[in-house]
Amino acid sequence: RKEVEQDPGPFNVPEGATVAFNCTYSNSASQSFFWYRQDCRKEPKLLMSVYSSGNEDGRFTAQLNRASQYISLLIRDSKLSDSATYLCAVPNSGGYQKVTFGTGTKLQVIP
Amino acid sequence: DTAVSQTPKYLVTQMGNDKSIKCEQNLGHDTMYWYKQDSKKFLKIMFSYNNKELIINETVPNRFSPKSPDKAHLNLHINSLELGDSAVYFCASSPSGRELFFGEGSRLTVL
Repeated sequence: RKEVEQDPGPFNVPEGATVAFNCTYSNSASQSFFWYRQDCRKEPKLLMSVYSSGNEDGRFTAQLNRASQYISLLIRDSKLSDSATYLCAVPNSGGYQKVTFGTGTKLQVIP
Repeated sequence: DTAVSQTPKYLVTQMGNDKSIKCEQNLGHDTMYWYKQDSKKFLKIMFSYNNKELIINETVPNRFSPKSPDKAHLNLHINSLELGDSAVYFCASSPSGRELFFGEGSRLTVL
């Protein structure tokens, strides 16, 4: 099993739709998780952190399912500007501060 | 007042040449990273430094040599460039080894 795995998509959704992505991780000892957004030909930018109680920021909700070892990102009322690739990131639980990224899920919001 | 800055942003060179990429962060973070993003957009960790000390080396060929003169700078030197080295190289810094702040990337093309 890959350390961090995502469905590459693309997810093509109409404006206003709700869309959700999952990201599975293999290390059950992982404690913190992050979602990043990467626009075409740009750097990844931190979107949200995901802790055990989940996290909500406006139209974005991130949740953690420890039992099944996945995190999710829910986007409500999709905007055209949400079109991007969404990467999940999982720092390792040891002391070496290694952050592993998934391959990303591409979202295209259609007018 | 860019937080993480990399130079150059674009680099086109011939196989066999040697090139360097420089990175500087003004966020006061202790940890800095080099990531490689290939044509399939997979973001893979290469190196990490914590306060000038190498802490992660992800089985990168010896042709790649990072150097951190101080905790605000992390450079990457690549010897004997190969076609497969063509990618976008991202520098990142972190206050905690968990959330990352990326530079804009250096797009390397080897001909």
